[in-house]
Amino acid sequence: IAGITQAPTSQILAAGRRMTLRCTQDMRHNAMYWYRQDLGLGLRLIHYSNTAGTTGKGEVPDGYSVSRANTDDFPLTLASAVPSQTSVYFCASSDRGGSGANVLTFGAGSRLTVL
Amino acid sequence: GQNIDQPTEMTATEGAIVQINCTYQTSGFNGLFWYQQHAGEAPTFLSYNVLDGLEEKGRFSSFLSRSKGYSYLLLKELQMKDSASYLCAVRNSNYQLIWGAGTKLIIKP
Repeated sequence: IAGITQAPTSQILAAGRRMTLRCTQDMRHNAMYWYRQDLGLGLRLIHYSNTAGTTGKGEVPDGYSVSRANTDDFPLTLASAVPSQTSVYFCASSDRGGSGANVLTFGAGSRLTVL
Repeated sequence: GQNIDQPTEMTATEGAIVQINCTYQTSGFNGLFWYQQHAGEAPTFLSYNVLDGLEEKGRFSSFLSRSKGYSYLLLKELQMKDSASYLCAVRNSNYQLIWGAGTKLIIKP
C-alpha cells in the first residue's frame, strides 16, 4: 500500500538521550515535512525538504535536525531530548510543484514522551 | 502575526447538518485546506479552495470568501464516523501552511 511509514509508533525516553524518528515514503514525492502536534495548538512545521539533498527550517526547528539523502527517507533526530519535546510527530509528503493543491499525505505519527 | 481561528469543539446529531467555520489572517493567500483527523490517527485531506465559492464533494462542501478571510466546512447527513477533528489550514504567499488548532466534532445518536 503506497504511503508513508513512520517508526517507532511510540517511544518513552529519558531527557538528554538522542533519538531518531524514521520516515519513509514510497510515492516518489519530492517534498517531505516533519510536524509536531500538541494539544490546543495547530500543527507546527519543524523542518522540511523540497527535494533530495536539500533541507530547510520550519517554525520550530530548535533541538531537531533532519537529513534527506534520497527521495524516500527523511529522518528526524533529537540530539538531546528535553521534556518540552514530548509530542506527537507527523511526517508528511507532497508532490510539490506547479500551482496545484500539493496535498499533504501524512504518516500515522510517532508519539514521543521525554521524561 | 498570522493566525487561524476555528471553534474548539462542536456537537451535532446523527443525520443532521453542521457547519464548521474558519477565519484567517495570513501574509497573503494561496489556498485553503480542510483535513479530517480521527483520534489517534493521521490527518487526511478533505478539500481545497483557492477561488471564492463553494466546492462540493459528496456529503462535504467547503466555502471560501477571500475578501472576508473566511471559510466553512459543511457536513450533511452526519454519520457517527464523522466524529473527528477538522483542521483548517491556509497557504500564505510564501507557500507556508498555517494551521488552525482544529475543531473537535462530536456526533450524538
